[in-house]
Amino acid sequence: VLTQSPATLSLSPGERAALSCRARQSVSRHLAWYQQKPGQAPRLLIYDASIRATGIPARFSGSGSGTDFTLTISSLEPEDFAVYYCQRRRGWPPQYTFGPGTKVNIK
Amino acid sequence: QVQLVESGGGVVQPGKSLRLSCVASGFSFSDYGMYWVRQAPGKGLEWVAVISYDGSSKFYADSVKGRFTISRDNSKNTLSLQMTSLREDDTAFYYCAKESADFWSGYCDYWGQGALVTVSS
Repeated sequence: VLTQSPATLSLSPGERAALSCRARQSVSRHLAWYQQKPGQAPRLLIYDASIRATGIPARFSGSGSGTDFTLTISSLEPEDFAVYYCQRRRGWPPQYTFGPGTKVNIK
Repeated sequence: QVQLVESGGGVVQPGKSLRLSCVASGFSFSDYGMYWVRQAPGKGLEWVAVISYDGSSKFYADSVKGRFTISRDNSKNTLSLQMTSLREDDTAFYYCAKESADFWSGYCDYWGQGALVTVSS
C-alpha cells in the first residue's frame, strides 16, 4: 500500500511543491513518480527514487528511501499543474502498486 | 520516435470478451517488457499485467487473474490483452506502456494514448 499526501495541493506558479509518498514496508529506493495531465497518459518523471527520466526538467527532484519519499518541484511552472502518482513494485511474483495521487492545483 | 497505439476498445456487455491491441514503433520492441495499466474514469492508476521481452513470463493483478491474458507478437511489434468475463468494474481506459531499461522494475517510460473499455448492459 502506498499513501500520498496531501491529496490536493493548491499553489501559485513559482512556488515550491513537496509531495509525499509513504510505503507500509520498505521499498529500498525502488519507487517512481509519474505526472498525469487531464486527457493524457502518465509521464515518467523519476525512477529509483531520485533519478530523473529522460527529458525531465531539473526543477523536478526526488528523494527518500525505505518508506518515505518526496517529489519536489522547485518552482512551479504553469504546465506542472497536474496529478502526480508514486509507484512501486512489490515482491515476487511482481505486483505493481500506484499511490492514490496528489493533485496540484493552481491557487 | 517511440509510439504506442492502442486499439480495440469499445462498449461490451458484462460477461463478454474483448481484445485490446497495442502496436509499437520507434524502438526495438523485442528487447523490452511491456505493461497494461488501466484507469477508471476519474480514478487513479491500476496495474493490470506485465509480459517479459520474449513473452516467456507473464504476471497479473489479482483483480484480473484468470480472466485476462497478456501476449505479444514480436514479429509484428504488437502487444495484446485478451479480456474475458468482463465486469462493470473493468470499465476503464487501458494503457499499454513500455518498460524502461530495468527488467520487472515497473518503470514505464512510454505510454500509449489509452483505449476506453466500457462494460455495461
